[in-house]
Amino acid sequence: QQQVKQSPQSLIVQKGGIPIINCAYENTAFDYFPWYQQFPGKGPALLIAIRPDVSEKKEGRFTISFNKSAKQFSLHIMDSQPGDSATYFCAASLSSGSARQLTFGSGTQLTVLP
Amino acid sequence: GAGVSQTPSNKVTEKGKYVELRCDPISGHTALYWYRQSLGQGPEFLIYFQGTGAADDSGLPNDRFFAVRPEGSVSTLKIQRTERGDSAVYLCASSLMAPSNEQFFGPGTRLTVL
Repeated sequence: QQQVKQSPQSLIVQKGGIPIINCAYENTAFDYFPWYQQFPGKGPALLIAIRPDVSEKKEGRFTISFNKSAKQFSLHIMDSQPGDSATYFCAASLSSGSARQLTFGSGTQLTVLP
Repeated sequence: GAGVSQTPSNKVTEKGKYVELRCDPISGHTALYWYRQSLGQGPEFLIYFQGTGAADDSGLPNDRFFAVRPEGSVSTLKIQRTERGDSAVYLCASSLMAPSNEQFFGPGTRLTVL
């Protein structure tokens, strides 16, 4: 019930391409869905987040698409750059109450070739 | 500092020893979380503090793990009788009160149990 499934496990794109990472969740009570970027040896950094009352959110080159009925959400990176090469994690949580911990996906290792 | 800080950055210990890991959250953040990240995996929740009290400790794997936050700011994660399976990166995150659940992560402490 708490699981978040992420795919693909790894992804290689050319510079300028649009990598897409997908996640699916099970707990319909989740109401906060962030994406994190992590470089080797660093902690996860918050990229962008969405709540289920909207179907899409865009911040700079990063876009989240959200499908509440399918319980799926995805990250699109426009005009990808070699500096975007990192591991990306989706997550889900409740935004109130005592159970506000993030449940993470297993991660996608993105490589953007120059 | 502006972000979450964690000390030490690396800790190597022997099986059976006791270790303490420290987290300094972002100033003003009342919520504090501990997660554990194994190699190639997403972070897994351990414990969540709201102020000084542990609001949710359901992620602690067993009674060898304990965490405190006596003054509602700095937190210490304590691991007794360490085992080789405890080897991982221990991440701390902090956030403001609801409705925001934006969690900001520190760089982590890499624990190696020999």
